[in-house]
Amino acid sequence: DARVTQTPRHKVTEMGQEVTMRCQPILGHNTVFWYRQTMMQGLELLAYFRNRAPLDDSGMPKDRFSAEMPDATLATLKIQPSEPRDSAVYFCASGSQVDTEAFFGQGTRLTVV
Amino acid sequence: GENVEQHPSTLSVQEGDSAVIKCTYSDSASNYFPWYKQELGKRPQLIIDIRSNVGEKKDQRIAVTLNKTAKHFSLHITETQPEDSAVYFCAAIPYSSASKIIFGSGTRLSIRP
Repeated sequence: DARVTQTPRHKVTEMGQEVTMRCQPILGHNTVFWYRQTMMQGLELLAYFRNRAPLDDSGMPKDRFSAEMPDATLATLKIQPSEPRDSAVYFCASGSQVDTEAFFGQGTRLTVV
Repeated sequence: GENVEQHPSTLSVQEGDSAVIKCTYSDSASNYFPWYKQELGKRPQLIIDIRSNVGEKKDQRIAVTLNKTAKHFSLHITETQPEDSAVYFCAAIPYSSASKIIFGSGTRLSIRP
């Protein structure tokens, strides 16, 4: 059963600390998305990659957020320094080609205190 | 860029009645329109999708309609059941953005027993 795997599932950190979230896309998928979901429930696109190349990260605060794909099996989202307003659930999703289903991971629930 | 508006933000219906959620999009080049369901504490999952070359698609109790002229599409759930309670997201794929998935703001559907 192919799934998108995200780690950690939960993270509590103090303001100012670095946070790294990891995502393993489904094997063979060439598109990876990072979304942020707050209590207001919407899915905000932060960044996405095609064949490991960043295509759009305009939704991401550049001064503190960074997203990378070191290889085809790993995508990372880093926040440095973290702030309380970053508290949210961060979802990674992967897809295999244009216009088809995006499969979501279980999310990382981040709490910054 | 693409903008997707979704209404209503919350919807409560009596069990057995129908529920309708509507979305509008701005980019006339969009050609793929998926709907995702997110149960409490879970990941979003695709429930149905429609492409621009068809006007309606059904899958058991759910159906989606698309009006490309008016740039709106709708999700219809008939004979609602308690397990239909969830947040539903519509999305539009703008052809020009090479599969960037822009989601609507979500509709929280509650089924009253």
